[in-house]
Amino acid sequence: NAGVTQTPKFQVLKTGQSMTLQCAQDMNHEYMSWYRQDPGMGLRLIHYSVGAGITDQGEVPNGYNVSRSTTEDFPLRLLSAAPSQTSVYFCASSSTGTGNTEAFFGQGTRLTVV
Amino acid sequence: GEDVEQSLFLSVREGDSSVINCTYTDSSSTYLYWYKQEPGAGLQLLTYIFSNMDMKQDQRLTVLLNKKDKHLSLRIADTQTGDSAIYFCAEKGGSYIPTFGRGTSLIVHP
Repeated sequence: NAGVTQTPKFQVLKTGQSMTLQCAQDMNHEYMSWYRQDPGMGLRLIHYSVGAGITDQGEVPNGYNVSRSTTEDFPLRLLSAAPSQTSVYFCASSSTGTGNTEAFFGQGTRLTVV
Repeated sequence: GEDVEQSLFLSVREGDSSVINCTYTDSSSTYLYWYKQEPGAGLQLLTYIFSNMDMKQDQRLTVLLNKKDKHLSLRIADTQTGDSAIYFCAEKGGSYIPTFGRGTSLIVHP
């Protein structure tokens, strides 16, 4: 019963490097999203997707790209890492029905950019 | 757009009750949620309430909803050190995209 799996759990990057944070879910959820969590700022939405082939920007999309080629996977790409992107990143998924739709979160990726 | 507001910190003594408050703006909200985040972990659903209810109780947890004022609260009775965490309020309304508050850090001291 995996739920939402994020990899890696920890990562250190040098300024200017690129990397991809992986997120996979096995619940056949249509909606997937990426958040960053910073002290005192709570959760801020970066990008989201409502299904394969469909993505949209959230509150803080600059410096990040996403794609959704399958229902299961929603990777987040950092194009050229900056110290301001040091944060904890969470991937979440849920169904898109109008009923009660609990969001399931991954365990997070702690990213440090030096 | 929709907004969810909550205070950033709450400090209580062990054994006391904790009350975490949240306000939201989306009048079409149908479900309101409380998530808990323990240190070093992701968020997990704690409880939720449907918008046609004004109260829900689950063991030590009581959720109160004032739909007129768009105010949601979470009361934890007999707060324990294990309740120390960040608590997030969230709402889901006409859009299926949930909106989260910024989280309230609950600190429980002896």
